[in-house]
Amino acid sequence: DQQVKQNSPSLSVQEGRISILNCDYTNSMFDYFLWYKKYPAEGPTFLISISSIKDKNEDGRFTVFLNKSAKHLSLHIVPSQPGDSAVYFCAAPGPNSGGSNYKLTFGKGTLLTVNP
Amino acid sequence: NAGVMQNPRHLVRRRGQEARLRCSPMKGHSHVYWYRQLPEEGLKFMVYLQKENIIDESGMPKERFSAEFPKEGPSILRIQQVVRGDSAAYFCASSPPSTVGYEQYFGPGTRLTVT
Repeated sequence: DQQVKQNSPSLSVQEGRISILNCDYTNSMFDYFLWYKKYPAEGPTFLISISSIKDKNEDGRFTVFLNKSAKHLSLHIVPSQPGDSAVYFCAAPGPNSGGSNYKLTFGKGTLLTVNP
Repeated sequence: NAGVMQNPRHLVRRRGQEARLRCSPMKGHSHVYWYRQLPEEGLKFMVYLQKENIIDESGMPKERFSAEFPKEGPSILRIQQVVRGDSAAYFCASSPPSTVGYEQYFGPGTRLTVT
């Protein structure tokens, strides 16, 4: 039962263009979302997050959009750079019936390749 | 400020042997989490610990797996009598006592190969 879904295993874009990575979730109890970036043979690195009280959060070249009614979020990277090539994971704290969102539920990830 | 440290980075064990994975959290972090990543999969939560306490082990297999975070020293994930299906990347993460932002900081992982 995948509660956080990333349906695109891979995405390829040209340097300088926009990269859009998508994530869907099924559990309406999720109220916070995070994006992590992962290079091969390294651990995930936190990138950007968004609370459900917002519909957009921006940090430099990275913007995350949240559509609660559609249970969908997306990460926009613009302009894309070759160094952005990595696997991107969408994650949400919980769910936990105890009310403490201390564990992260991850999607399967999307491999982004930015071509020079 | 050193990040989350894990060792060993690579571990090879024969079926039936024991595997011990170590994790030292970031300075000032008292919460430790272990995740497992199978090939082509996302990270799956295994266990959440604070010093000398297991808070949630709902993601741990019922047998052969155990975890601890002693008062002194690193957190240990222990897998007894390993089988081929245990081959995976095991990631440790840590967070400070206040988890308002929910961010967890990950180590580089231990890649376990069972032959």
